[in-house]
Amino acid sequence: AQKVTQAQTEISVVEKEDVTLDCVYETRDTTYYLFWYKQPPSGELVFLIRRNSFDEQNEISGRYSWNFQKSTSSFNFTITASQVVDSAVYFCALSVPQGATGRRALTFGSGTRLQVQP
Amino acid sequence: DAGVIQSPRHEVTEMGQEVTLRCKPISGHDYLFWYRQTMMRGLELLIYFNNNVPIDDSGMPEDRFSAKMPNASFSTLKIQPSEPRDSAVYFCASSLSPKSGGLAYEQYFGPGTRLTVT
Repeated sequence: AQKVTQAQTEISVVEKEDVTLDCVYETRDTTYYLFWYKQPPSGELVFLIRRNSFDEQNEISGRYSWNFQKSTSSFNFTITASQVVDSAVYFCALSVPQGATGRRALTFGSGTRLQVQP
Repeated sequence: DAGVIQSPRHEVTEMGQEVTLRCKPISGHDYLFWYRQTMMRGLELLIYFNNNVPIDDSGMPEDRFSAKMPNASFSTLKIQPSEPRDSAVYFCASSLSPKSGGLAYEQYFGPGTRLTVT
């Protein structure tokens, strides 16, 4: 069975602060994929990043960066110089392909609500 | 390109009524997923299709729920009869098959249908 834990229920920061959202996952499989999604107040789910289990390189995209560490089963997300528009619920998710067709469903964490105050 | 399209965006119905939610995946995507989001249970997979064939419906709550995908560009999720505990946001998502060397692709979500059963 797979599990994703986002221990931080809610985080509040002031604009321009850096913030890190934690994600810890559990799986016995060696092949898996990790994702981050953003859900702004409007409600849609926006894909941010995908990382596979073979690639532990960290990634940076503008103010966003991701730190993947297999040793601690963590895939943390950092927003540098946060902005009010970053206010949203952020979900970490895990996909473990199975079999020839590969089960593709996502197992989501419970989400972290980020509030960025002006 | 159009994203995943869902209709209606909001649905209010009385207990016992039939509800049909609709989804049009991104053109060319051959995986389609139905998820449900509630405060209590978070985001959970209901069912997914590959090439219009249901692959995993283990998340469908009970026989009152049914899903179909008659063609590559249309899927329905039906609840009959509806109950107040079915109130939730229902998301449809689609993704591509993996190319050689990959096993999973990110899922793109529709805007969701907010269902309220009174």
